[in-house]
Amino acid sequence: DAGVTQSPTHLIKTRGQQVTLRCSPISGHKSVSWYQQVLGQGPQFIFQYYEKEERGRGNFPDRFSARQFPNYSSELNVNALLLGDSALYLCASSLKTRGEYGYTFGSGTRLTVV
Amino acid sequence: DQQVKQNSPSLSVQEGRISILNCDYTNSMFDYFLWYKKYPAEGPTFLISISSIKDKNEDGRFTVFLNKSAKHLSLHIVPSQPGDSAVYFCAASAWDMRFGAGTRLTVKP
Repeated sequence: DAGVTQSPTHLIKTRGQQVTLRCSPISGHKSVSWYQQVLGQGPQFIFQYYEKEERGRGNFPDRFSARQFPNYSSELNVNALLLGDSALYLCASSLKTRGEYGYTFGSGTRLTVV
Repeated sequence: DQQVKQNSPSLSVQEGRISILNCDYTNSMFDYFLWYKKYPAEGPTFLISISSIKDKNEDGRFTVFLNKSAKHLSLHIVPSQPGDSAVYFCAASAWDMRFGAGTRLTVKP
């Protein structure tokens, strides 16, 4: 079985540009969460989607948006990129939203903003 | 908002000894607590979890203890092995999941 897949694995963008990151969850998992991990810190919660609806949003500006498709895959969009957006973006999938089911993470997309 | 805190950025132990990683939380609404292990260039990997209605959960060499009154949990690894060297994240879940900053564990042969 394929795990959580994220694309692209690495990305370099210029300040002010827009970026779209993609995530395919494990088959059967209906919940997808997005996290930002800056070097030396733990993953910071950005969004959670379940059954195509936003179920939670972390403390991130409106430049960050996401959506979940009927096949449960998800995209994270970031507009007007800032240097501080450089980070590892992690996608996690789970059966449901609650932590009892555990989250399975992808390997992440490394975004560098120059 | 640092709802989950890991105050020790690093820990070094000798192979065969016990590793104890600690975590504190502030939100009483968390109902599941989890530990993840992360190697470089990989996403975090789920290790072990505990429900808020329990105080201990054991899985092989790994045991998680929960002290709700102190809002504190710990992960014990016995015996520690060099392959356990990684960054360990504590996480807490209500409707979403929040992570601590991580503790880098180094197990020396």
